[in-house]
Amino acid sequence: ELKVEQNPLFLSMQEGKNYTIYCNYSTTSDRLYWYRQDPGKSLESLFVLLSNGAVKQEGRLMASLDTKARLSTLHITAAVHDLSATYFCAVDEAWRSQGNLIFGKGTKLSVKP
Amino acid sequence: GAGVSQSPSNKVTEKGKDVELRCDPISGHTALYWYRQSLGQGLEFLIYFQGNSAPDKSGLPSDRFSAERTGGSVSTLTIQRTQQEDSAVYLCASSKGRVDTGELFFGEGSRLTVL
Repeated sequence: ELKVEQNPLFLSMQEGKNYTIYCNYSTTSDRLYWYRQDPGKSLESLFVLLSNGAVKQEGRLMASLDTKARLSTLHITAAVHDLSATYFCAVDEAWRSQGNLIFGKGTKLSVKP
Repeated sequence: GAGVSQSPSNKVTEKGKDVELRCDPISGHTALYWYRQSLGQGLEFLIYFQGNSAPDKSGLPSDRFSAERTGGSVSTLTIQRTQQEDSAVYLCASSKGRVDTGELFFGEGSRLTVL
């Protein structure tokens, strides 16, 4: 059974600081997704990582995937208040002929001035 | 429509009643998913439809939950004899499937409150 673990689950940052959120998963997969959820809202797709070594960047966020380590990271550079949200990683169960995404519990990020 | 559409956005019901939640996926998306998100929690997979294949029902928590997808498009999630623990936001998502990137696009959710 695929398990997806994120850490930390809660993160309080000061504006301007850097930090990394980690996403570990337990079985083989070559597809990993990052989503953002604002309070009371639905999930918005941030990054799609489809191969080992994939790196994607958008603004102050950068995501990477290491399939051998079964690890993805979401790095935040010079955080700003607008990044405050909950961030989820999701992993595709590769053994299935058609994918089902299993989500981590989410990392609630709060960026304070 | 341009995005995944869900209705109702909010539903309050009494314990023991049946409820139906509707999802209209993005046109052309062959895969449709239902997830459940309890307050402050992560996403719990419920059921997955892919084209004309038999649905993956492995996440349904009990036989009170069922879902169907008509004509490969609109889906309805039905909860019979609702219980208070069924209170949650039910999220629908669609995608082009694994032949594409597999990226899911989510609707705004249906918030269910069982009194």
